[in-house]
Amino acid sequence: GENVEQHPSTLSVQEGDSAVIKCTYSDSASNYFPWYKQELGKRPQLIIDIRSNVGEKKDQRIAVTLNKTAKHFSLHITETQPEDSAVYFCAAPSGGGADGLTFGKGTHLIIQP
Amino acid sequence: DSGVTQTPKHLITATGQRVTLRCSPRSGDLSVYWYQQSLDQGLQFLIQYYNGEERAKGNILERFSAQQFPDLHSELNLSSLELGDSALYFCASSVGLIQDTQYFGPGTRLTVL
Repeated sequence: GENVEQHPSTLSVQEGDSAVIKCTYSDSASNYFPWYKQELGKRPQLIIDIRSNVGEKKDQRIAVTLNKTAKHFSLHITETQPEDSAVYFCAAPSGGGADGLTFGKGTHLIIQP
Repeated sequence: DSGVTQTPKHLITATGQRVTLRCSPRSGDLSVYWYQQSLDQGLQFLIQYYNGEERAKGNILERFSAQQFPDLHSELNLSSLELGDSALYFCASSVGLIQDTQYFGPGTRLTVL
């Protein structure tokens, strides 16, 4: 099955700076990579996703890059704001012809005022 | 609000008992997924149903079972509960079988005493 590694586990940045979270995956057949944001006690919310026919996707201050050769993908948040503080999870399909997601362990992003 | 509903929000029970968690997917979604989130295991995929049929299994224990009904709502049954089953249980739904965006419900917090 799929294995997803995520780094760092905690990331503290100054408000206004950029944050980068990195993930690697093991199954070369994986071709869909979502990122979720989860606030304490709340549900995971999709913030952006990328499919393997593109290398980069942007949505305002958020971007995701994908390197299929190296089997890694990254989340970039620019001009960070206090409301960006949360836990971020990367994920990839678990495999087997259906679509359960294998999640990374999560990154706790702290925005320092 | 993702459009996915889960009941109950909280559940407190004793070891050895059996509970049922309920999920209603977004209108039009045919796939339902169950995930377990705990501090030590992270966010783990349990099982996926598509249009009433089981399609994928993740790290689901034999004590746990699920089903999806003709109206597409799903139930997750947890039996012979142990202290370690205490966790947040999320349901997610998507339109199709693979690579579709998964929308998460608010979760059910299960506490086993």
